[in-house]
Amino acid sequence: AQKVTQAQTEISVVEKEDVTLDCVYETRDTTYYLFWYKQPPSGELVFLIRRNSFDEQNEISGRYSWNFQKSTSSFNFTITASQVVDSAVYFCALSGGYSGTYKYIFGTGTRLKVLA
Amino acid sequence: GAVVSQHPSRVICKSGTSVKIECRSLDFQATTMFWYRQFPKQSLMLMATSNEGSKATYEQGVEKDKFLINHASLTLSTLTVTSAHPEDSSFYICSASAGGGNQPQHFGDGTRLSIL
Repeated sequence: AQKVTQAQTEISVVEKEDVTLDCVYETRDTTYYLFWYKQPPSGELVFLIRRNSFDEQNEISGRYSWNFQKSTSSFNFTITASQVVDSAVYFCALSGGYSGTYKYIFGTGTRLKVLA
Repeated sequence: GAVVSQHPSRVICKSGTSVKIECRSLDFQATTMFWYRQFPKQSLMLMATSNEGSKATYEQGVEKDKFLINHASLTLSTLTVTSAHPEDSSFYICSASAGGGNQPQHFGDGTRLSIL
């Protein structure tokens, strides 16, 4: 069965600290896709990144970086030098070829609070 | 790019009213649209998947007669909550995808539905 686990329910950091959000997934698909989304207090989900199962390259985008490790089924997200505007709920999601609809399996989300 | 517009953003109405929520992909053709429901401080729960021109596929436990979904074109899907009751109050979010597991879902801003 497909499953996404975000064990950290809530994290609080002080501005400028680095923070890593964990995501562990389970799937039997050989081809699958992983995503991260940000949900600020206003409610909309903002797409951050997509990663294919066959591409284990880590990615950096500004202060954001992602570490994909198939060996541990993890897709962790690091924010460097956090800012108050980073405060949001972050969701990790898994999509595979099952049933052909490419539905997302969402984790339960990690609420990040960045304190000034 | 990849903008999804959801309307209305907030609805307050009396019990027994039917409410229609629109989801439009503004700058791409969405072969698949998804409808989610989110309770406070919880993850997104997929309600149904709709493909343009065909009937929606509902998740287990979601009443298809209660939540009517129409996906009449590649840019528009609607969710109608029929005869809404207070327990239907929630945050409803749509997403649209250009198709294929490697394409991310792009989310609307959500509709906060309050039934009095």
